[in-house]
Amino acid sequence: GQQVQQSPASLVLQEGENAELQCNFSSTATRLQWFYQHPGGRLVSLFYNPSGTKHTGRLTSTTVTNERRSSLHISSSQTTDSGTYFCAIDRYVGDNSKLIWGLGTSLVVNP
Amino acid sequence: DTTVKQNPRYKLARVGKPVNLICSQTMNHDTMYWYQKKPNQAPKLLLFYYDKILNREADTFEKFQSSRPNNSFCSLYIGSAGLEYSAMYLCASSRGLGDAEQFFGPGTRLTVL
Repeated sequence: GQQVQQSPASLVLQEGENAELQCNFSSTATRLQWFYQHPGGRLVSLFYNPSGTKHTGRLTSTTVTNERRSSLHISSSQTTDSGTYFCAIDRYVGDNSKLIWGLGTSLVVNP
Repeated sequence: DTTVKQNPRYKLARVGKPVNLICSQTMNHDTMYWYQKKPNQAPKLLLFYYDKILNREADTFEKFQSSRPNNSFCSLYIGSAGLEYSAMYLCASSRGLGDAEQFFGPGTRLTVL
C-alpha cells in the first residue's frame, strides 16, 4: 500500500481562507519534507521537519513523529499559493536512503 | 546560494534520438539526484550519485545513464528516447544521505515527438 498518504487529494479555496493539508506515513521517518510544486513544474522545499513545529511566513508545519503524521497549515491563502503540495519521507533501502513521496494535494485558490 | 541549475529548461526530442540533460550545484553537496515527474504523479526517483557512486533504481536501470565528472555537475542521458519519456526531469542535491534536505532545480521539460 501507499506508504505516504496525503489528504485531501485536492482543495479549492477562496482567497483569504485557511488550509490544512495532512500527511500520514506508515513507517518510521528520519526525515520528512514538504514540497511545493509551482503550476509550471518547479519543485521547492518548504520544510525539512523531522519533528515539531516550524513556521515560515504564512506556512506552518507540524510533525508528530511517533504518530507518523505531519500537517501543513496555510493561513490567509493567496492565489499564488495555488499548486501541488507534496509530502515525502526518508526511508533506508539497504545502505541507501531515498525519499518516499505522497501523491500530493492539489490546491486552487480563487480570487 | 542554494540554487540548483538545470539546462536546458525545455527540450524537444525525436523518438529514437539521444537526450542529454545537465544539472549543476555550487553547494558542494555530496549527493545529486534525478527524478522524473509526470502530471498528477509523484516524482519518481531515477538514480542518484553519492560522491562518485551511481545508484540506479531497479525499474529504470536500463533506460537512463548518468555521469558526474565533478562534484558540481551531473548529467542524465537517454540513449534512445521514446514517447513515454516525455516528462519533467528534476535534479536535486543534498549534503550527504539519509537525513539531508534535498534542494531541487527548476526542471527540464522534455517532449518526445
